[in-house]
Amino acid sequence: QKEVEQDPGPLSVPEGAIVSLNCTYSNSAFQYFMWYRQYSRKGPELLMYTYSSGNKEDGRFTAQVDKSSKYISLFIRDSQPSDSATYLCAMKDTGRRALTFGSGTRLQVQP
Amino acid sequence: EAEVAQSPRYKITEKSQAVAFWCDPISGHATLYWYRQILGQGPELLVQFQDESVVDDSQLPKDRFSAERLKGVDSTLKIQPAELGDSAMYLCASTLGSQETQYFGPGTRLLVL
Repeated sequence: QKEVEQDPGPLSVPEGAIVSLNCTYSNSAFQYFMWYRQYSRKGPELLMYTYSSGNKEDGRFTAQVDKSSKYISLFIRDSQPSDSATYLCAMKDTGRRALTFGSGTRLQVQP
Repeated sequence: EAEVAQSPRYKITEKSQAVAFWCDPISGHATLYWYRQILGQGPELLVQFQDESVVDDSQLPKDRFSAERLKGVDSTLKIQPAELGDSAMYLCASTLGSQETQYFGPGTRLLVL
């Protein structure tokens, strides 16, 4: 079983919809949680970064971390066709500096 | 805005040939990572450098892969000989000191025929 599980999708929504992306994890030592956006044939781009539990909002994006359930979410409000990409969750503990990634969820926002 | 640079962007090679990828991290970033991303999967760490020293190469297939960061700035990842299963995106990332945010380059897409 992988340390980080993420539904690969694809997830197709109409423009303007609220999108919910999720990851579960098994390693209770993870303390730092990130969401990256990756367009086709490009490198990952950091969207959101959260330490420990709680919520963080940035524009149309909200990240939530529930450490008790080992569950993290990314919400995208008023989704746009330009949001069409693969969304990767990533996390790490305080000791190891490298990230452990989910497999990514492919999102398609239909105009 | 400072970015991580990688070259080449695309590489096609035949199996058993040698290939090399180059990465130039954001200026001043002491920690450099090489990840491999197979299509449809998330990136997986190959090697991590702190300045010129390797701090984690536990997932690097050392019989065919090598990595160096001689002056603690740019880095080279080499595969010799390449195998069909090495076809993937090779990503370089860097961080500034103790900060946790990793910045990724555009990647090198390798196809082994």
